Amino acid sequence: EVQLVESGGGLVQPGRSLRLSCTASGFTFGDYAMSWVRQAPGKGLEWVGFIRSKAYGGTTEYAASVKGRFTISRDDSKSIAYLQMNSLKTEDTAVYYCTRGSGSSSDYFDYWGQGTLVTVSS
Amino acid sequence: EIVLTQSPDFQSVTPKEKVTITCRASQSIGSSLHWYQQKPDQSPKLLIKYASQSFSGVPSRFSGSGSGTDFTLTINSLEAEDAATYYCHQSSSLPRTFGQGTKVEIK
Repeated sequence: EVQLVESGGGLVQPGRSLRLSCTASGFTFGDYAMSWVRQAPGKGLEWVGFIRSKAYGGTTEYAASVKGRFTISRDDSKSIAYLQMNSLKTEDTAVYYCTRGSGSSSDYFDYWGQGTLVTVSS
Repeated sequence: EIVLTQSPDFQSVTPKEKVTITCRASQSIGSSLHWYQQKPDQSPKLLIKYASQSFSGVPSRFSGSGSGTDFTLTINSLEAEDAATYYCHQSSSLPRTFGQGTKVEIK
């Protein structure tokens, strides 16, 4: 059974940093791209970014709203994906979901974690 | 950036009715369109990939169609458990984008 479990969320002050983790199980982690999607309270879904599998270079892509502040990385030996969030803003407050990307270029998100809430507030 | 516009934003439907949700892309995206269901206080779940391919385990009453710029998610014979918000999502180009969502309420 595919499982994705996020951790690391919490309350953080504006301008500070936070790192989220996504621990995967039930599939060969290294074969898949991993994406992050967020949802502000009462709002819709927003794509944050993804990291390709090593077979596709392990490169990353980001939404304009987080580029230069957020970094996605992966540790295939531990089956963990990370989202490093720096210079956090109040508008980054959201539930952050880790997703598995399937298809030729992380086309669709076939499995999602339960989400972890990040609240950016002073 | 490709903008996805869903209609309607909200729909109140009686059980066994047919539901149709549309998603229009601001430019042609081929069949790179996927549908998700999010029930209250739950994570989204994939329903349809590549416009019309059902994801494993999804009930057969859910179907998708369309290509280019116009896409449709159809729920045949709505059940009470289908109360949720439905999102379309495109993977034709970066950045990946989602529609604003369509909330389906059961009367």
